[in-house]
Amino acid sequence: GNSVTQMEGPVTLSEEAFLTINCTYTATGYPSLFWYVQYPGEGLQLLLKATKADDKGSNKGFEATYRKETTSFHLEKGSVQVSDSAVYFCALSEKNNAGKSTFGDGTTLTVKP
Amino acid sequence: DAGVIQSPRHEVTEMGQEVTLRCKPISGHDYLFWYRQTMMRGLELLIYFNNNVPIDDSGMPEDRFSAKMPNASFSTLKIQPSEPRDSAVYFCASSSPMNTGELFFGEGSRLTVL
Repeated sequence: GNSVTQMEGPVTLSEEAFLTINCTYTATGYPSLFWYVQYPGEGLQLLLKATKADDKGSNKGFEATYRKETTSFHLEKGSVQVSDSAVYFCALSEKNNAGKSTFGDGTTLTVKP
Repeated sequence: DAGVIQSPRHEVTEMGQEVTLRCKPISGHDYLFWYRQTMMRGLELLIYFNNNVPIDDSGMPEDRFSAKMPNASFSTLKIQPSEPRDSAVYFCASSSPMNTGELFFGEGSRLTVL
């Protein structure tokens, strides 16, 4: 079956530090890959996505590149802000089973001023 | 367009009581999912529907849990009788095949069973 493995947290960084959250996956086909973010007290929301190999998803300064050869989709941001403090989930979805996603365990990021 | 709407946002009840959580998916989305989130177990998929039909309910913890989707714009998750270990945040999400698998989540229903 499909699986997603995320870098364990929690992660604590100072403002303006560089962020990397690792994510690797196992899937039978060529899935779409996602990063979702959950702010305190809210539901998950899509941060970025990539639907095929070598695609780069980007949003709000965050980036992730779909690497088929290493089955990875690492999340990066060059300079984090306090407002980026949240839980980040890596996920995949099989293209022929729209919507049924497999999620990682989530990584809690805290950014200190 | 309104997002996924869940109610109630917060529910506090006593052990043994019936709990009903409600969800209105985004119009035009034909997949609907119920998730449960706890600190101990993380995010768990309970059940999902396609075109109002339950497709996979293998995540439903036990017979005390049931879910229905009587029409394309409404779904319920019922717990009867409730137990303290059911305390969690329950999320509803919807999606469309046109969105390449992206899920749209509601704000969640926080359930506390005393």
